[in-house]
Amino acid sequence: AQSVTQLDSHVSVSEGTPVLLRCNYSSSYSPSLFWYVQHPNKGLQLLLKYTSAATLVKGINGFEAEFKKSETSFHLTKPSAHMSDAAEYFCVVSDPNTGNQFYFGTGTSLTVIP
Amino acid sequence: DAGITQSPRHKVTETGTPVTLRCHQTENHRYMYWYRQDPGHGLRLIHYSYGVKDTDKGEVSDGYSVSRSKTEDFLLTLESATSSQTSVYFCAIQLASYNEQFFGPGTRLTVL
Repeated sequence: AQSVTQLDSHVSVSEGTPVLLRCNYSSSYSPSLFWYVQHPNKGLQLLLKYTSAATLVKGINGFEAEFKKSETSFHLTKPSAHMSDAAEYFCVVSDPNTGNQFYFGTGTSLTVIP
Repeated sequence: DAGITQSPRHKVTETGTPVTLRCHQTENHRYMYWYRQDPGHGLRLIHYSYGVKDTDKGEVSDGYSVSRSKTEDFLLTLESATSSQTSVYFCAIQLASYNEQFFGPGTRLTVL
C-alpha cells in the first residue's frame, strides 16, 4: 500500500530564513511524487513533481525538493521564506498500480513570522 | 485552473436530503476525480472516472455515488446526506497517466 507521512503538522519560520517541510513515503515501486500548496480558502496548486528524472526538482516560487530513494524522502525546501509562502502544503505519492491514484499526506501548515 | 469549475461553491443542507455536486471541465481530459478534505486528513479520494460511464471507488466511497454521462461533467451524489459528510469537496482532472492532477476551486458542503 502506498502512504505518505508529513513529519510536521505545523512549521513556523521567520521571514527571510530557510524553509524545510519533511515528507516520507512508502511505495512498492518507483513512485511519482508531488508537492501541492493550498492558500487559505483556495484550491490546490502544484508546486513541483518528481517522475523519475532528475532527483533534485525545482518548482515555482523558489521551492525545490530532493528525491532520496535510500531514505524514502521527498523534503521540500526554500532558501528564504516570504510572507506569501504562508499556506498549507501537501506531499502526494502516485501509485501506478492503482490507476495512478493520488495518496495525500495530512498536510503541513507553514507560518511565516515577519 | 485548467478549465475546471465546480457548482455550487457553497451549500447548506439538512440531514437525509439528496445532494448533487457538479464538476465541469472544458478540455476533454479523460481522468476525473472527487476528493473530500477534512482537517487532519489531507485529501481523500471518493470516486474517480477514467472515461464516459467508467468509474471506480476510492478510499472513502461509502455514502457517495458518481456519474459521468459525458466527458466534461462528473457528478457526485450524496443520496441521503449525513453530518459526517460535512466537508470541502474538490474535483480534479489528470492529463494522462503519471501526470499531475489539477484541482477545481472546491465546494463547501454543510449538512445540518
